[in-house]
Amino acid sequence: GENVEQHPSTLSVQEGDSAVIKCTYSDSASNYFPWYKQELGKRPQLIIDIRSNVGEKKDQRIAVTLNKTAKHFSLHITETQPEDSAVYFCAASLGGNEKLTFGTGTRLTIIP
Amino acid sequence: GAVVSQHPSWVICKSGTSVKIECRSLDFQATTMFWYRQFPKQSLMLMATSNEGSKATYEQGVEKDKFLINHASLTLSTLTVTSAHPEDSSFYICSARAYGGRVSYNEQFFGPGTRLTVL
Repeated sequence: GENVEQHPSTLSVQEGDSAVIKCTYSDSASNYFPWYKQELGKRPQLIIDIRSNVGEKKDQRIAVTLNKTAKHFSLHITETQPEDSAVYFCAASLGGNEKLTFGTGTRLTIIP
Repeated sequence: GAVVSQHPSWVICKSGTSVKIECRSLDFQATTMFWYRQFPKQSLMLMATSNEGSKATYEQGVEKDKFLINHASLTLSTLTVTSAHPEDSSFYICSARAYGGRVSYNEQFFGPGTRLTVL
């Protein structure tokens, strides 16, 4: 089955700087890669996703890049703000009704 | 749109009792719902995939007789933790995948979670 690895497990960034979180996946058939933000005790919230037919996607301060050959994808947050502090999870899926396999999570702390 | 609710939001029960958690898609039909368990400071671990009108598919290591899943309609799935023990204490989260409509084909929408504490 699919295996998703995520790094780093914790990340502290000065406010205004950029943060990068990286994930690798094992199943080359995976074609859907969402990123979720989870605050303490709350539900995961989808912040951005990318499909395998696209190499990069951007939404304001958030961007995701995908390298299918290397089987890795990354989340980039620019101009970080204190409210970006949370746990971020990457995931991979075969799409459709297929399940999501989550990475282990990254605790991002923005230092004011 | 695309709202998923869960009930209850938290529950405390005695060891040996059973607890039922409901997951509802409020404004869309969900042919597939997923049940996850999340221990403190850990990732979401998929327990089972629930398809409307058919038996759930359980992940390896998840006891199907202990975690009973019923997906009786396109808007409701239930998870019953039978004979709960303290080690079952966790945050249980469901998600639903929208069937067609305006949302992303692959996107899953998560419920707010249910915190179960077994004494």
